[in-house]
Amino acid sequence: DGGITQSPKYLFRKEGQNVTLSCEQNLNHDAMYWYRQDPGQGLRLIYYSQIVNDFQKGDIAEGYSVSREKKESFPLTVTSAQKNPTAFYLCASSISRDIRSPLHFGNGTRLTVT
Amino acid sequence: SQQGEEDPQALSIQEGENATMNCSYKTSINNLQWYRQNSGRGLVHLILIRSNEREKHSGRLRVTLDTSKKSSSLLITASRAADTASYFCATDAGGTSYGKLTFGQGTILTVHP
Repeated sequence: DGGITQSPKYLFRKEGQNVTLSCEQNLNHDAMYWYRQDPGQGLRLIYYSQIVNDFQKGDIAEGYSVSREKKESFPLTVTSAQKNPTAFYLCASSISRDIRSPLHFGNGTRLTVT
Repeated sequence: SQQGEEDPQALSIQEGENATMNCSYKTSINNLQWYRQNSGRGLVHLILIRSNEREKHSGRLRVTLDTSKKSSSLLITASRAADTASYFCATDAGGTSYGKLTFGQGTILTVHP
């Protein structure tokens, strides 16, 4: 079955450590996105990529980095510069950058930093 | 503030009743989408309505869009306990925003059996 796989489901890190969240899709989608969700809040866009080897900052990119070396993969690194990293992170993809393309989401990674 | 704002924040109904959720936004849009999220999971796309459409149906879902009021509503008819979830509207920024969506804070729907 095609879909988006995020791993791990739960991640615990100490403050000051960088951590990388995995996102893999086998939908052959061009565009991929990272969103952050805090309790009781909507989703906020961190980074997005419309094509391999290209990505753009979203609304809250500070303290995060991404790469898009392969079409299938869009890993997100939460760096020690991110002041409040504990959150639920959602990866999504869409068939193209067409504004009418719905997003397909993974099941998220819950990151806890102590 | 966010582009999409849902109302109410929480809604509790009995199975069989209809559920109506509203979304307001501030700037012009190309389309508006509704998503559903079960607790602790990713979002699932429900329906997309374009700015030149006024109403759209999909199964038990009915979405309306009023661009003059910058608002949309999602109606779920004959609700079921399995409809319990959070529902989000998402809007693009208009123009050539290329799929960059802005999500509201969501409505938490609880359907009691």
